[in-house]
Amino acid sequence: EAQVTQNPRYLITVTGKKLTVTCSQNMNHEYMSWYRQDPGLGLRQIYYSMNVEVTDKGDVPEGYKVSRKEKRNFPLILESPSPNQTSLYFCASRGQGNYEQYFGPGTRLTVT
Amino acid sequence: KQEVTQIPAALSVPEGENLVLNCSFTDSAIYNLQWFRQDPGKGLTSLLLIQSSQREQTSGRLNASLDKSSGRSTLYIAASQPGDSATYLCAVPNAGNNRKLIWGLGTSLAVNP
Repeated sequence: EAQVTQNPRYLITVTGKKLTVTCSQNMNHEYMSWYRQDPGLGLRQIYYSMNVEVTDKGDVPEGYKVSRKEKRNFPLILESPSPNQTSLYFCASRGQGNYEQYFGPGTRLTVT
Repeated sequence: KQEVTQIPAALSVPEGENLVLNCSFTDSAIYNLQWFRQDPGKGLTSLLLIQSSQREQTSGRLNASLDKSSGRSTLYIAASQPGDSATYLCAVPNAGNNRKLIWGLGTSLAVNP
């Protein structure tokens, strides 16, 4: 089954404790993105990647890092989480030339 | 700069009604438009994708239309059911580089038994 998976689905952590949210897709897609969703602000892109070792900032990259060492994986790293990063996070992927985006189930992060 | 607007923000209807959700965008140079469904606190389910060359797409009781020249798309839901209650989001790829989706804020739909 074609899918995008994210882990963990729920996470409560404390300010400053480094964390990683994993994302994996099994569709051999070139493009992957991370979005965050906040009430009243909608979905905003954090980072995207066009292929292995090619990443670039989206609209709200501050406080986040990503890496793309393998085509299937695109982890989101919060080196020092802060309460304003409490949000619902989505990973997405799409193939080159095929513009339909596929989304993971979301990760609800709470930073206290 | 592309902007996507969805009206109404919320809608409550009795079961069985046919309804229309609206999505408008400011830049007509889009590759496609995608409609999604989101259940409370949960993930995004892709409902329909309309390519820029298409006028409409259908899936079951859902029909999405696209009018690029007027910057509008509508999602028509026939014979609504309580299980259709969710937030419906539309999104278009960012013009020029297609590196991200530009999202509306969604229409929150409640279908009452």
